[in-house]
Amino acid sequence: DAGVTQSPTHLIKTRGQHVTLRCSPISGHKSVSWYQQVLGQGPQFIFQYYEKEERGRGNFPDRFSARQFPNYSSELNVNALLLGDSALYLCASGGAAGQTQGMQYFGPGTRLTVL
Amino acid sequence: AQSVAQPEDQVNVAEGNPLTVKCTYSVSGNPYLFWYVQYPNRGLQFLLKYITGDNLVKGSYGFEAEFNKSQTSFHLKKPSALVSDSALYFCAVRSRDDKIIFGKGTRLHILP
Repeated sequence: DAGVTQSPTHLIKTRGQHVTLRCSPISGHKSVSWYQQVLGQGPQFIFQYYEKEERGRGNFPDRFSARQFPNYSSELNVNALLLGDSALYLCASGGAAGQTQGMQYFGPGTRLTVL
Repeated sequence: AQSVAQPEDQVNVAEGNPLTVKCTYSVSGNPYLFWYVQYPNRGLQFLLKYITGDNLVKGSYGFEAEFNKSQTSFHLKKPSALVSDSALYFCAVRSRDDKIIFGKGTRLHILP
């Protein structure tokens, strides 16, 4: 089975621009979570979606938004990019709530550089 | 609030020696604890988890972790380190609302 896939692999943007990152979960998984990993730090939770509904939101500004589609894939959108948004963005998928005991499977990430 | 702490930014171990990467946690209720590894330019790979049961958990690549409730610790261990074990290791805890909260990471260097 294919693991979690993310696109693009790398992305370079300039301040003020908008970016869309994409994630496809493992087949059969209904939950998708997004994390931001700034260089030298652990991943920080941004969003979780389950069955197309937002289940959780981390401490990120409203410039960050996400959605989940009927096929359970997901997009993370970031508006008005700042230099500080430069990071590795990780997507993780999981099964139904209560079935995976919190187990999440991570994709390879999208490296976003804001100039 | 749930949190994890990894007190060491970096751990250096000679190849063939045992290794320990430390982690302490703070949770209310029973903890769900995880260790992940990250290789350069790669995403996170799951190593092992503690949900309930035996305090010694065995995981991938010969790693194991010891859950100690009284010390609120979940240290990662391996009896004999390999150079290929060099990577960034993250301890994590599942929060009540199913988020994964990560420590800041410990860089493990295995010296040949």
